[in-house]
Amino acid sequence: QVQLQESGPGLVKPSETLSLTCTVSGGSISSYYWSWIRQPPGKGLEWIGYIYYSGSTNYNPSLKSRVTISVDTSKNQFSLKLSSVTAADTAVYYCARQGGAYDSSGYYHPSIDYWGQGTLVTVSS
Amino acid sequence: DIQMTQSPSSLSASVGDRVTITCRASQGISNYLAWFQQKPGKAPKSLIYAASSLQSGVPSKFSGSGSGTDFTLTISSLQPEDFATYYCQQYNSYPLTFGQGTKVEIK
Repeated sequence: QVQLQESGPGLVKPSETLSLTCTVSGGSISSYYWSWIRQPPGKGLEWIGYIYYSGSTNYNPSLKSRVTISVDTSKNQFSLKLSSVTAADTAVYYCARQGGAYDSSGYYHPSIDYWGQGTLVTVSS
Repeated sequence: DIQMTQSPSSLSASVGDRVTITCRASQGISNYLAWFQQKPGKAPKSLIYAASSLQSGVPSKFSGSGSGTDFTLTISSLQPEDFATYYCQQYNSYPLTFGQGTKVEIK
């Protein structure tokens, strides 16, 4: 069973950089797309970006100027850095796997199948 | 970005009820749609991909349908463990986008 676990500071000061790591167990990171998603308290879900195991990335344009996602296949981990944070970045941050599967017509669907438990990051001085 | 709109935003239902949630995309997404269930304080759980295919281990009381811009999630007989918030999400194009959620509450 694939498991994902987020780790990192729960409190970050305004204007600093938020850094989180997702450790994957029960499977290899050397396949699939690996995403970060966040959820402000009491609100909905926002996709931040993904990294493919090869290192290619895709970021949400709304955050692109501040986001960096990287992967360390030797540790089975991928990481998120979000710079110049403000209170608006306070949220539960989830890592997730876009595992993918084929539909009945043979088309590939890179949908999210596994999620981490999430970690609350508060931006406050 | 593709906008995803769910309706209703919340609903009250009784145990045993059949419940249907609707999700509409701002442009056609074929069947590149997923559904998730989220309980308070927990991570979302993946229910459905490709609009109608159940993720492994998801009970058959959940079903999905639709293609193009209009989709539905149906719970055939609501049980106490099904009271939660449900989100649709499109993955036809990036950025991935989610609906605002539908909260299913106990009547």
